[in-house]
Amino acid sequence: GQQLNQSPQSMFIQEGEDVSMNCTSSSIFNTWLWYKQDPGEGPVLLIALYKAGELTSNGRLTAQFGITRKDSFLNISASIPSDVGIYFCAGRTRPITGAQKLVFGQGTRLTINP
Amino acid sequence: KAGVTQTPRYLIKTRGQQVTLSCSPISGHRSVSWYQQTPGQGLQFLFEYFSETQRNKGNFPGRFSGRQFSNSRSEMNVSTLELGDSALYLCASSLEVTYSYNSPLHFGNGTRLTVT
Repeated sequence: GQQLNQSPQSMFIQEGEDVSMNCTSSSIFNTWLWYKQDPGEGPVLLIALYKAGELTSNGRLTAQFGITRKDSFLNISASIPSDVGIYFCAGRTRPITGAQKLVFGQGTRLTINP
Repeated sequence: KAGVTQTPRYLIKTRGQQVTLSCSPISGHRSVSWYQQTPGQGLQFLFEYFSETQRNKGNFPGRFSGRQFSNSRSEMNVSTLELGDSALYLCASSLEVTYSYNSPLHFGNGTRLTVT
């Protein structure tokens, strides 16, 4: 089945640094979603992307839908302590048969040193 | 607008028992999906319901079942619990089925199930 390779698995950065993470796949996706999950809570939607090449910002967060439709990246600028958490990418694909499914990456755990 | 509400937040059960988890979607959302989250396997799709019908199903054994009511609220049931069923069970709702354009999933805070 479809798989998403999310990298890096973890990041340890200093407060104020910029962060970049990405998801890649051998499959083509028609939607990319980025979520953040804090401990003890469910994932919260950050950014949704629906068109190849689309670049969307949400405050200090920017995400892009890759031109090949097989990848997406998320950037966080000027990180702050509340950015700590696990970030997930999710891709939605239309298989030849059956319903579309949402596939999740394994997550990027972000840790920030003050 | 209230978010996705899941009850209970925590559950402790013993092997062999069964459990029912509840999910109330965001008002106006008609689709409810269930996911299992574990440290080793990440987020694994269980099933999706829309208009009281199961529209999509993941690769879980028949011990995992669900249903959706006419008010879009959903329940998930796990019978004959096993130790490996210990996980965070997340419910997510969306306006339409997940293959609809511009209908992303919004998650609840989950039910933490521990099987001893």
